[in-house]
Amino acid sequence: AQSVTQLGSHVSVSEGALVLLRCNYSSSVPPYLFWYVQYPNQGLQLLLKYTSAATLVKGINGFEAEFKKSETSFHLTKPSAHMSDAAEYFCASPLYSSASKIIFGSGTRLSIRP
Amino acid sequence: DVKVTQSSRYLVKRTGEKVFLECVQDMDHENMFWYRQDPGLGLRLIYFSYDVKMKEKGDIPEGYSVSREKKERFSLILESASTNQTSMYLCASSPHGSGGANEQFFGPGTRLTVL
Repeated sequence: AQSVTQLGSHVSVSEGALVLLRCNYSSSVPPYLFWYVQYPNQGLQLLLKYTSAATLVKGINGFEAEFKKSETSFHLTKPSAHMSDAAEYFCASPLYSSASKIIFGSGTRLSIRP
Repeated sequence: DVKVTQSSRYLVKRTGEKVFLECVQDMDHENMFWYRQDPGLGLRLIYFSYDVKMKEKGDIPEGYSVSREKKERFSLILESASTNQTSMYLCASSPHGSGGANEQFFGPGTRLTVL
């Protein structure tokens, strides 16, 4: 079955440190991949989207993600964490069987230590 | 500014009550979705609608029904609320087409507690 796997339900980093959130997709190469962010008590909003035009995708708030076909990965990074980055992050992919639907990973909660 | 609104941010109901969750979008989107969000499980699709009066079951439709009488509005109905339906409910919308490239736009969520 198609899946999106996020490694680590909770990641904690110090302010100013590198942020790395991991995402792996099912072996069939998806045409699109998404990272969404959910701030406390809010809905999800799109952080960035991979569309096969470029393997390195830049998003909002200094985040970027790199699509690596050989590793079936789409990890999210930010060079220097800020307190305002504390949120839950979801990796997602359109369903092969119904492109209007999206399958989400289980989420990674990012905490920032002062 | 695109917007998806949900009728309540917090809701407390009793077991056996009929519960209505309303969602409205102002983007003229064809697709609308209802998800349930629980810790460690991510988002799970309850129902999906791709047009007015059209609906499709998602991964966990049991205990829920939906209604879409107008393009902008998508309602989730819990016919007889149970404690295991205590959760965060998220509504989303997206346009048709583009083969999966379209992002979904989310509302702020409704945190439902069933006592």
